[in-house]
Amino acid sequence: GENVEQHPSTLSVQEGDSAVIKCTYSDSASNYFPWYKQELGKGPQLIIDIRSNVGEKKDQRIAVTLNKTAKHFSLHITETQPEDSAVYFCAASGPGNFNKFYFGSGTKLNVKP
Amino acid sequence: GAVVSQHPSRVICKSGTSVKIECRSLDFQATTMFWYRQFPKQSLMLMATSNEGSKATYEQGVEKDKFLINHASLTLSTLTVTSAHPEDSSFYICSAQARVDYGYTFGSGTRLTVV
Repeated sequence: GENVEQHPSTLSVQEGDSAVIKCTYSDSASNYFPWYKQELGKGPQLIIDIRSNVGEKKDQRIAVTLNKTAKHFSLHITETQPEDSAVYFCAASGPGNFNKFYFGSGTKLNVKP
Repeated sequence: GAVVSQHPSRVICKSGTSVKIECRSLDFQATTMFWYRQFPKQSLMLMATSNEGSKATYEQGVEKDKFLINHASLTLSTLTVTSAHPEDSSFYICSAQARVDYGYTFGSGTRLTVV
């Protein structure tokens, strides 16, 4: 099955700086890669996603890049704000996995004011 | 759009009792819902796939007799933790997909504490 690894496990940045979280996956058949933000005591919220036919996607301060050859994808947050502080999860899914999502281990982002 | 409602948000029960958690898709129909379990500071672990009108599919290592899943309608799936024990204490989260080309929407989660 798919194995998703996520780094770093914790990330501390100063407000206004950029934050980058990286994930690798093992199954070359995976073709959908969402990123979720989870605040304490709440369910994860989809913040951005990318499909394997696209190399980069951007939504305001958030961007995701995908390198299919290397099987890794990254989340980029620019001009970070304290409200960006949360745990971020990457995930991978593909046609061979019957829509199952395989999650990374999570990154706790702390944005210091 | 694409809202998934989960209840209750918190529940405390005694060992040996059963607890039911509801997951509803409010503005879309979901033939498939997923149930996850999350331990503190850990990632989400898929427990089972809930299919409307048929039996749920459980992941390896998940006891189907302990975690009963019922998906009786296109907008409701329930997870019942039977004969709960303290080790069942965890954060349970459901998710559903509104559209084929859209990511999954998660419920707000249920914090179960078994005492």
